[in-house]
Amino acid sequence: DTAVSQTPKYLVTQMGNDKSIKCEQNLGHDTMYWYKQDSKKFLKIMFSYNNKELIINETVPNRFSPKSPDKAHLNLHINSLELGDSAVYFCASSLQDRANEKLFFGSGTQLSVL
Amino acid sequence: TQLLEQSPQFLSIQEGENLTVYCNSSSVFSSLQWYRQEPGEGPVLLVTVVTGGEVKKLKRLTFQFGDARKDSSLHITAAQPGDTGLYLCAGARGAGNMLTFGGGTRLMVKP
Repeated sequence: DTAVSQTPKYLVTQMGNDKSIKCEQNLGHDTMYWYKQDSKKFLKIMFSYNNKELIINETVPNRFSPKSPDKAHLNLHINSLELGDSAVYFCASSLQDRANEKLFFGSGTQLSVL
Repeated sequence: TQLLEQSPQFLSIQEGENLTVYCNSSSVFSSLQWYRQEPGEGPVLLVTVVTGGEVKKLKRLTFQFGDARKDSSLHITAAQPGDTGLYLCAGARGAGNMLTFGGGTRLMVKP
């Protein structure tokens, strides 16, 4: 029944490693997103992906790359992990990429880089 | 500097009290949304306001969008412990839906 599901819930890894977080939505939405929430709870957009069009927040390092095998999935790959990447990463989706659309969030992946 | 400033950052009150949370910006937004987030979960949408001056009510919660569409407020009447959580405002600019979030207000309502 979960609308937006992401795995894993917790991810602990060493600096320099490469890791992936998976996200799936069963809502039939056209647009998916990745957000990063830091330790102060500040939520910042990383990517928006709609019908194979990727919009990237310019502040996101190119070590982060989203991969979408189909409309229902948007995975996040992170290369060469750094300490500063530690945060909670949220996947979200909306029906369309239009202002006012409701975002449905997953429950987050807490990434800890040691 | 955040595009959307929320105040207060923290608020601890007793059950039954009223409170107001503010979301301010120097930029104009096409719409503004309020979300509530509980520990270990993602944010959940409470309301979307679109028109300057718009007021929306959701039970004991009243949301207002500023006339110039640069600010918004959330007023809770007779707060209850179940209202405890992180309240986030988020603004959309332009046609797309890449939201800019405020820093959040952590509300604790004590029984």
